Amino acid sequence: NAGVTQTPKFRVLKTGQSMTLLCAQDMNHEYMYWYRQDPGMGLRLIHYSVGEGTTAKGEVPDGYNVSRLKKQNFLLGLESAAPSQTSVYFCASSSQGGNQPQHFGDGTRLSIL
Amino acid sequence: GENVEQHPSTLSVQEGDSAVIKCTYSDSASNYFPWYKQELGKGPQLIIDIRSNVGEKKDQRIAVTLNKTAKHFSLHITETQPEDSAVYFCAASKIPGYALNFGKGTSLLVTP
Repeated sequence: NAGVTQTPKFRVLKTGQSMTLLCAQDMNHEYMYWYRQDPGMGLRLIHYSVGEGTTAKGEVPDGYNVSRLKKQNFLLGLESAAPSQTSVYFCASSSQGGNQPQHFGDGTRLSIL
Repeated sequence: GENVEQHPSTLSVQEGDSAVIKCTYSDSASNYFPWYKQELGKGPQLIIDIRSNVGEKKDQRIAVTLNKTAKHFSLHITETQPEDSAVYFCAASKIPGYALNFGKGTSLLVTP
């Protein structure tokens, strides 16, 4: 009963490096989301996907790219990491958008030096 | 867009007391209101949700009330226990839509 799995759990990068965060869900959900969580800011939506092969921008998309090549996976990429992207990143999925519960992974803690 | 305000930001109660967290929202079209609990080092976990056609919902020691006219909803935890200590987030969304708009969270501490 894995639910939403995020890898890696922790990562330290240097400014300018690139990396990809992986999110996998085993609930056959159509919708997937990437959020970032910063102290005092709550959860802010970066990008989301309403199905395989689709992606769309959320509230804070700049500096990130995403891909949803398979229904169960949603990848978040940082092409050139900046210190402002130091955050905890959460992936979530839901069976439908908007009015259905979102199920979250346990997060990836990312530090950019 | 939707703006969700959450109060208080921190709340400390004695074990056995009740805790109340309040949220207001700005978009009258919002009609789904979940509450999430986040423990240290974990992702948010849904604890209860309510839709706009319902004024109150209870699940054991947890209840949520919704006042659509005033555009506010509240989480009530009765008989608090130390394991209730966590950060609680409210959220709102509407149909058609994709996003949950979250409040900034309330850090609840239940002391024995």
